[in-house]
Amino acid sequence: DAKTTQPPSMDCAEGRAANLPCNHSTISGNEYVYWYRQIHSQGPQYIIHGLKNNETNEMASLIITEDRKSSTLILPHATLRDTAVYYCIVTMGAQKLVFGQGTRLTINP
Amino acid sequence: EAEVAQSPRYKITEKSQAVAFWCDPISGHATLYWYRQILGQGPELLVQFQDESVVDDSQLPKDRFSAERLKGVDSTLKIQPAELGDSAMYLCASSFERTDEQYFGPGTRLTVT
Repeated sequence: DAKTTQPPSMDCAEGRAANLPCNHSTISGNEYVYWYRQIHSQGPQYIIHGLKNNETNEMASLIITEDRKSSTLILPHATLRDTAVYYCIVTMGAQKLVFGQGTRLTINP
Repeated sequence: EAEVAQSPRYKITEKSQAVAFWCDPISGHATLYWYRQILGQGPELLVQFQDESVVDDSQLPKDRFSAERLKGVDSTLKIQPAELGDSAMYLCASSFERTDEQYFGPGTRLTVT
């Protein structure tokens, strides 16, 4: 599976959009981009995934660049409950999740 | 909303003792996973079951760790004997099929003294 690079930490003001970047320059054509998050003392939670096209659900939007070498997870109106570690994972299948160290996102009031 | 259940939530044990963790996946989920998460790191897959069969246990330290899912529903992860380096969060996850997103339980935090 391709490796990913994420900033170790980010801050965002409550109510603003949180944009979390992920680089995956070695991604292959059949690998998906998955995002999970882990709130303190809880298990990881699935957010969204995509292959080529941008995706949106009730939690977030996923923007994948045309060359697929990077992506951005967007939380449109961040709340304090969105404070968590966010993991970007590139994988051929949902069963093969290799977690890195993720981005620690802090939402500030 | 259905959730993955794990018990105990916290466990303290002395090194060389045996310890066991239990997981009850979401009803109907055929695939079950056990992960270990060391403090400050992301979760690492230990073992994956499809129904009662082990699909992947390549990262499971088989000299001391064992896992079973006898009836294809709930599962037990055992460590015997526990070592200091086993102190970590042990997470269970399940999915409807292998191609579906995983749902994680709250984890069992193990401290080995």
